[in-house]
Amino acid sequence: GAGVSQTPSNKVTEKGKYVELRCDPISGHTALYWYRQSLGQGPEFLIYFQGTGAADDSGLPNDRFFAVRPEGSVSTLKIQRTERGDSAVYLCASSPLGVSRDEQFFGPGTRLTVL
Amino acid sequence: AQKITQTQPGMFVQEKEAVTLDCTYDTSDQSYGLFWYKQPSSGEMIFLIYQGSYDEQNATEGRYSLNFQKARKSANLVISASQLGDSAMYFCAMRAKAAGNKLTFGGGTRVLVKP
Repeated sequence: GAGVSQTPSNKVTEKGKYVELRCDPISGHTALYWYRQSLGQGPEFLIYFQGTGAADDSGLPNDRFFAVRPEGSVSTLKIQRTERGDSAVYLCASSPLGVSRDEQFFGPGTRLTVL
Repeated sequence: AQKITQTQPGMFVQEKEAVTLDCTYDTSDQSYGLFWYKQPSSGEMIFLIYQGSYDEQNATEGRYSLNFQKARKSANLVISASQLGDSAMYFCAMRAKAAGNKLTFGGGTRVLVKP
């Protein structure tokens, strides 16, 4: 079956612009996660959805970052007034139930470059 | 807070030999899970193996095994019979029940398999 997909695969923008990154999870997965991976580092947690609601947004770095999942499937990560430090690969993952043993299935990521 | 430490930034291994990747973790939670992921140069995160904190036996998945030493808080990954396709970044991650469903990742170890 289809895995997690993310669009776009690459996004180049200018400092101060607004960007949206999209994630399509595996069909039927109730849990969805966003992570950010800076060059040479491990992924860092941003936000977790269980269904339509954000169950944990403790990883969002500041109020320029916001994510939604209005119908409990596709999610959009929104970044306002982008800064050069936002440049990273943004990874989305989904899991069937969001319980402790659940494997998280990752998408290929969106590489964001802020000039 | 949860923390994962991977002390080996990079390793060379000869094809067909075994390699051990170190991972130590820190958590005050009694219930947690440990994961290993592989990230090839293509960027996708591939799940390899899972160990629950209450699992009595060490996890194994094909050529991958996890050497879980709970008292020492270590969860080393052993890859047996290395293949050229094993060249990649490897990340250890933890999910603690008290911290919700997010994964906390280590900094990764780059493995290069030599023919």
